[in-house]
Formats: sequence, structure tokens, C-alpha cells
Amino acid sequence: AQSVTQLGSHVSVSEGALVLLRCNYSSSVPPYLFWYVQYPNQGLQLLLKYTSAATLVKGINGFEAEFKKSETSFHLTKPSAHMSDAAEYFCAVSPTGGGNKLTFGTGTQLKVEL
Amino acid sequence: SQTIHQWPATLVQPVGSPLSLECTVEGTSNPNLYWYRQAAGRGLQLLFYSVGIGQISSEVPQNLSASRPQDRQFILSSKKLLLSDSGFYLCAWIRNSPYEQYFGPGTRLTVT
Repeated sequence: AQSVTQLGSHVSVSEGALVLLRCNYSSSVPPYLFWYVQYPNQGLQLLLKYTSAATLVKGINGFEAEFKKSETSFHLTKPSAHMSDAAEYFCAVSPTGGGNKLTFGTGTQLKVEL
Repeated sequence: SQTIHQWPATLVQPVGSPLSLECTVEGTSNPNLYWYRQAAGRGLQLLFYSVGIGQISSEVPQNLSASRPQDRQFILSSKKLLLSDSGFYLCAWIRNSPYEQYFGPGTRLTVT
């Protein structure tokens, strides 16, 4: 069975500050990992994905995430927050060995303040 | 490129009324299709998924049903809506390996 845990349902940062959104996974097989972003009243948009190639993954809008097997983590970071980054972020996992379902975390609402 | 459509965008329905939400995908064939619900302040709940025409798997027992009458069409239905059916409904399709999911714009359902 696989699962993801997102620590912190709400995160608040100042504009220009570092963004760090935490995701830890549990998977019985090597996983694929994803981060999605959702703006109000919209569908989810894929930010980035880890597919067992490079452990540091760069995505859209300046975000990146690092896969750390020893820590079972896939935290999302951005060096400098922008007001437009305010949204909800979801971490998700799927097994590399097969399967056609993603398991999503409960989401983290990011607030960016002036 | 692939595109996923959902309609209607918003819907207000009284308790006990029927429901039909539609999702269609363009630009791909034989996609795996998914219905999710987001209740206010909560995460994504997988409701149904389908790997082909007429093939539906239900994840959560509830007041809803799903059908897939055509390869790229996925329908979410209810015979009688409950207040608890209110939420934001998202349709998605998946790209096989590495299983990226792509989401539609969603339908906001309010049951009154």
C-alpha cells in the first residue's frame, strides 16, 4: 500500500521568502512522486514529477523538489515566493511497478503575504 | 495535445433531484478516467475510475454512480442528491508510465 503525508495544512510565507512544503511517502515499491498545484475553482496542474531519474527535479514556475529515499521525503521548494504562488499544493504517489491510481495527500494551502 | 472538458462548470440542485456530470477527453484513445470529489476544506477523494468502456470501479460506497458509454466519455450520476454530495468534482485521465494525471477544470456542485 502507498500513502503520502503532507505536514502542515496551511503554510504562510512573506513575498520573497523561501517556500518549503513537506511531503513524506510510504510505498512498498519504488515510487513515482508528483506535486500538483490547484488555484481556486480550477483543476489540478502538474508542477513536477520524480520518475527515478535525477533526484532533484525542476518544475514549472521556479519550483523544485528533491527525492530523498533515506528520509522517504519529496519536499517542494521555491527560493523566492511570489504572490501568484498562493494556491493549494498536493503531493501524490504511484508505484513504478504498475497500477493506474495515484494516491494524493490532503493538500497544503500556501498563503503569500506582502 | 490532450484536452479534458467538464460540464457544467457550476450547478445548484435541490436535495432529492438527479445529477449528471459529464467529462470528455480529446487527443488520446483508451484513456484511464477518474472522478474525484473535493469537499470544502478537504483533500481529493477518488470516487470512481474506469480503464475502458463499460468498466467502472467504485472506490467509495455512496449515493453516486458512474458510467463510461464511449471511449472518451465519463459520466457521474445520482438518482437523488443529498446535501453531503455538495463539492467540487474533478475528472482526470492518466498517462501510462509514469502515471501522470491530467485534470479537467471541475464542476462546482451545490446541493440546497
